[in-house]
Amino acid sequence: DTEVTQTPKHLVMGMTNKKSLKCEQHMGHRAMYWYKQKAKKPPELMFVYSYEKLSINESVPSRFSPECPNSSLLNLHLHALQPEDSALYLCASSQGRARGYQETQYFGPGTRLLVL
Amino acid sequence: SQKIEQNSEALNIQEGKTATLTCNYTNYSPAYLQWYRQDPGRGPVFLLLIRENEKEKRKERLKVTFDTTLKQSLFHITASQPADSATYLCALLTDSWGKLQFGAGTQVVVTP
Repeated sequence: DTEVTQTPKHLVMGMTNKKSLKCEQHMGHRAMYWYKQKAKKPPELMFVYSYEKLSINESVPSRFSPECPNSSLLNLHLHALQPEDSALYLCASSQGRARGYQETQYFGPGTRLLVL
Repeated sequence: SQKIEQNSEALNIQEGKTATLTCNYTNYSPAYLQWYRQDPGRGPVFLLLIRENEKEKRKERLKVTFDTTLKQSLFHITASQPADSATYLCALLTDSWGKLQFGAGTQVVVTP
């Protein structure tokens, strides 16, 4: 199984709502990532979890809160978002080895988020 | 500052021809470089990885070259097909924590 799944596919939320994005992989990968992608732009890294511990937070506003309950699951909790947060949110995973090894990342299909 | 540059203009190419995409980088010393394909509204899909000690890598109709002196990678799609139409992203791993830095991508449009 080389698939990363994300739910929901689409999400519309108001600025006062609380919602969560979910990501799952069963490849035994120990690194998982959240990216944000705006139209016609490359993916921008938000968070990296390595062995279920947060290893990188790219200065993301606190209205985005990641969680890694176990090595297969990654959540992104959303609260009090702004319209400019509307984007495609991508989850990815990789084996999680040290530098020098292949770190090919496998991406999910993304969640299209619209904040009204 | 670190930069990854790809042609921002779309590459329009006739079916059967070879598409060549460029990825230039500055202020990096990457151990390897990766190429991904992304279709609209979908996540990137890994295509090829080339290491700093490799000059060329091939996979079916795809070929990647890597020149660490020029700080450049070329990505070739030979015998292009309309199904190859997509945006192609180059990416560099910038640290041991898996921080992947992407170029802006080049859109390829293959017409019959």
